[in-house]
Amino acid sequence: GENVEQHPSTLSVQEGDSAVIKCTYSDSASNYFPWYKQELGKGPQLIIDIRSNVGEKKDQRIAVTLNKTAKHFSLHITETQPEDSAVYFCAASTGYSTLTFGKGTMLLVSP
Amino acid sequence: NAGVTQTPKFRILKIGQSMTLQCAQDMNHNYMYWYRQDPGMGLKLIYYSVGAGITDKGEVPNGYNVSRSTTEDFPLRLELAAPSQTSVYFCASRWGSPVDTQYFGPGTRLTVL
Repeated sequence: GENVEQHPSTLSVQEGDSAVIKCTYSDSASNYFPWYKQELGKGPQLIIDIRSNVGEKKDQRIAVTLNKTAKHFSLHITETQPEDSAVYFCAASTGYSTLTFGKGTMLLVSP
Repeated sequence: NAGVTQTPKFRILKIGQSMTLQCAQDMNHNYMYWYRQDPGMGLKLIYYSVGAGITDKGEVPNGYNVSRSTTEDFPLRLELAAPSQTSVYFCASRWGSPVDTQYFGPGTRLTVL
């Protein structure tokens, strides 16, 4: 089955800096790659996603890039703010029904 | 819409007890999922359902059972609780397309002592 590796497990940045979280996947048939943000005590919430026919997607301060050849995708957050502090999960989908999640990255943004 | 709701929020069980975690969604979603989240381990799929009356195993189904008699509800049953089932459980749902957003509930924190 699909395997998704996510790095780093923790990331500390200063407010205003950029943050990058990277994921690799194993199944070349994967075609959908969402990113979720989980705040303390809450369920994960979708923040951005990308499909395999697109190389990059942006939404205000966040962007995702996909390299199908290398089988990796990344989340980029610019001008980080304290409210960006959370756990971020990447995921990949090959089939019609399920997602495989990475182990998560705890992002800490210091004022 | 209330979205995805889960009850209870917290529960402490003794080893060997049984319980049912409730999940409901009011978005008329076809797909529903149960995940468990352990520290540093991400989200592991327990069971999922593609519609009423249809369920299938995920990555970690042992010790759990599910049923889906209606579109709205997807309860997770724990039989003979074990300490290894101490975790946070999340229910999620989505409409029908593989690229549709999965919406998560607020979670149930379960401790088995």
